[in-house]
Amino acid sequence: GAVVSQHPSWVICKSGTSVKIECRSLDFQATTMFWYRQFPKQSLMLMATSNEGSKATYEQGVEKDKFLINHASLTLSTLTVTSAHPEDSSFYICSARGSEGHRFGELFFGEGSRLTVL
Amino acid sequence: AQRVTQPEKLLSVFKGAPVELKCNYSYSGSPELFWYVQYSRQRLQLLLRHISRESIKGFTADLNKGETSFHLKKPFAQEEDSAMYYCALNAGGGNKLTFGTGTQLKVEL
Repeated sequence: GAVVSQHPSWVICKSGTSVKIECRSLDFQATTMFWYRQFPKQSLMLMATSNEGSKATYEQGVEKDKFLINHASLTLSTLTVTSAHPEDSSFYICSARGSEGHRFGELFFGEGSRLTVL
Repeated sequence: AQRVTQPEKLLSVFKGAPVELKCNYSYSGSPELFWYVQYSRQRLQLLLRHISRESIKGFTADLNKGETSFHLKKPFAQEEDSAMYYCALNAGGGNKLTFGTGTQLKVEL
């Protein structure tokens, strides 16, 4: 089946530093990827829609300058948490939408990346 | 705005007992609904979608527009069904999913 890989799976950083999380579709092309955030025992909240070759679309309340998204190729989207603070600590999950063949329109999820900001 | 409600955070049933995970949605248009499952230490994966009207792993879910519900059902729970289940709504297409808060299903022997 289609696989979406996130890296790193967990990261600990100091307050004020920036952290980059990668989301890769390993065996299919994804023109659209989504980034979610999940707090403990809460639901997944959509942060932004990442479109290959164009600017990301952010959901209301999500700071675009805080959470930089780049979708430079059909298989890679990155989320950079800039000047991270403890309140940014969370579980970040990406999903990729299949853009061709039998995978068209289906969403595949990454395993998630846990960010802890000290 | 759209909303998905899963009223139960935890549902515990005995093996062989029927299971019903509740999901209600709020959306003024024509919804597309999904159930996703997350087994322990695994990623989120699609279980079923209402447009497919299929049974996956013995689970079924029927969209009831009158009650705005999409409850997930299985007649006989198995131990391997223990997992976190999320109901999700795709409002207006584009795969921008709105998730419920999830229900942890625990099947006991």
